[in-house]
Amino acid sequence: AQSVAQPEDQVNVAEGNPLTVKCTYSVSGNPYLFWYVQYPNRGLQFLLKYITGDNLVKGSYGFEAEFNKSQTSFHLKKPSALVSDSALYFCPGSNYQLIWGAGTKLIIKP
Amino acid sequence: GAVVSQHPSRVICKSGTSVKIECRSLDFQATTMFWYRQFPKQSLMLMATSNEGSKATYEQGVEKDKFLINHASLTLSTLTVTSAHPEDSSFYICSARKGTKETQYFGPGTRLLVL
Repeated sequence: AQSVAQPEDQVNVAEGNPLTVKCTYSVSGNPYLFWYVQYPNRGLQFLLKYITGDNLVKGSYGFEAEFNKSQTSFHLKKPSALVSDSALYFCPGSNYQLIWGAGTKLIIKP
Repeated sequence: GAVVSQHPSRVICKSGTSVKIECRSLDFQATTMFWYRQFPKQSLMLMATSNEGSKATYEQGVEKDKFLINHASLTLSTLTVTSAHPEDSSFYICSARKGTKETQYFGPGTRLLVL
């Protein structure tokens, strides 16, 4: 069965430190992978996606993610976290419909 | 960037009434629109997929007669919750996509409270 896993329910990072939000996938064929962010009581905002090409994908708000085929991972990273980055993050994967993980709550502490 | 709107953003209704939620892609034509439901502190649950001019495809366990979806044009899809009950209270989010491998862009969501 196809799936996406976000192994951490919550990630806590101090402001200014680098952050990583983990995501692994099990999607057949050549997957295309996304990261979205959701602020409280809001819809989802697109951050970045990987379809083909360069494994390092740069997205909005200074975020980037690296596609690692051997580890089937697509971790989200940012070199210096901001308090405003605190939100819920999702990394759905897809062949046609998006397959959703449970999401990771990111908390950036001042 | 691509913008998707939803209306209303919040609705409170009495049990037994019907509620219609609109989803519009404002600056692109969406061949496919999706309707999701999100419970507190949980991930998104796909309810149905709709292609313009076609009947919606519902996920297992979603009652098509209760959640009516109409995708009348390339920029508008509607979800009607018929005979709403308190257990239908939830956050409903739509998304729209141009093509099969394109990014889904999400609406801001509609908070439904059924009393």
